[in-house]
Amino acid sequence: EPEVTQTPSHQVTQMGQEVILRCVPISNHLYFYWYRQILGQKVEFLVSFYNNEISEKSEIFDDQFSVERPDGSNFTLKIRSTKLEDSAMYFCASRGVDRDTQYFGPGTRLTVL
Amino acid sequence: RKEVEQDPGPFNVPEGATVAFNCTYSNSASQSFFWYRQDCRKEPKLLMSVYSSGNEDGRFTAQLNRASQYISLLIRDSKLSDSATYLCAVGADSSYKLIFGSGTRLLVRP
Repeated sequence: EPEVTQTPSHQVTQMGQEVILRCVPISNHLYFYWYRQILGQKVEFLVSFYNNEISEKSEIFDDQFSVERPDGSNFTLKIRSTKLEDSAMYFCASRGVDRDTQYFGPGTRLTVL
Repeated sequence: RKEVEQDPGPFNVPEGATVAFNCTYSNSASQSFFWYRQDCRKEPKLLMSVYSSGNEDGRFTAQLNRASQYISLLIRDSKLSDSATYLCAVGADSSYKLIFGSGTRLLVRP
């Protein structure tokens, strides 16, 4: 069964450093999403991406965040200058054209020291 | 009012019990509804989509009441392996972004 993959599974970084989180969505999907979950809190929407552009973003997704689909398979989330409060699980999700069900990757645990 | 609201639990039930979870949502224009299951420190895994007509998958039954803006999940004959957090999610806006509830924790004991 096709699945969403994410790398790395765990990223530790110093405050102020840039991080790039990578995702490979399900191959025939066209809609891509990033969510985050701070420990003990709910899953929160960050951004949606379709047709090589952002279709919607939340207020969390400020100028420090960016997304890119650099090639036909990868979908990345970049945080330019990490803050302590960026520590969370970051989940990528993808959705096909005809169905609105989103499938989630295993997540990247980001720890900012 | 929170966009998607769930009772956090935990629900502590014996094996074989029937347990029901409820979820309310505030946006009447919401278009799609889901139950996800999340194990500790793992990703949300789709349990089932929820339709107005109701749907059933084995021991799991989901219902949607659009008039009351209410979604439910019923688990029959609980198994130890059902222990997890159950997330209600509502698809919103043209991007179908998911708005999640805080989750309801289920503990099934022997």
